[in-house]
Amino acid sequence: AQTVTQSQPEMSVQEAETVTLSCTYDTSESDYYLFWYKQPPSRQMILVIRQEAYKQQNATENRFSVNFQKAAKSFSLKISDSQLGDAAMYFCAYRSGGTYKYIFGTGTRLKVLA
Amino acid sequence: GAGVSQSPSNKVTEKGKDVELRCDPISGHTALYWYRQSLGQGLEFLIYFQGNSAPDKSGLPSDRFSAERTGGSVSTLTIQRTQQEDSAVYLCASSLEASESTDTQYFGPGTRLTVL
Repeated sequence: AQTVTQSQPEMSVQEAETVTLSCTYDTSESDYYLFWYKQPPSRQMILVIRQEAYKQQNATENRFSVNFQKAAKSFSLKISDSQLGDAAMYFCAYRSGGTYKYIFGTGTRLKVLA
Repeated sequence: GAGVSQSPSNKVTEKGKDVELRCDPISGHTALYWYRQSLGQGLEFLIYFQGNSAPDKSGLPSDRFSAERTGGSVSTLTIQRTQQEDSAVYLCASSLEASESTDTQYFGPGTRLTVL
């Protein structure tokens, strides 16, 4: 069975600095997708970024980028130029190709210090 | 609508009562998911709908939990004889086509259920 592990329950970053959130996963499949979701205090989960396993190039979305290490089964999220609005819970998620089932990690709470 | 909506946003009930939680997915989305998020925890999968059918109900914690979807749109999650351990945020998500490579889930704001 696939698993997703986020080993950092909480992280802090100074405003305008860079922070990296860790995520590792376990799977025997070759076709899968990885996601980072943000959940602010409003509770609404927002997709931050997604990565297809077959793509070697790391996905980027503005200040958000990932470091996808397929062999190591690692999928970290880097947030550059951190802003106060980035404070939230961040969840890493996995989905097998051709299936519906998403598996979520337990989340990392990010605090942004002014 | 523009996004996934859920109602009510908050629900307080007494132990033993039944509750119904509603989810309105994004128009045209065929896949719909229910998750439970307990305090400080990740998302626990409950059930998945493809159209009106639920191919996977494996996440429902007990027979007190049931869900249905009508017209390929609105879904209701019903919890009978609520217990205090049912207190959590219940999140709904929808996606265009679950098995497609480009599929991505979009979440609603959730319903916070408190059982006294």
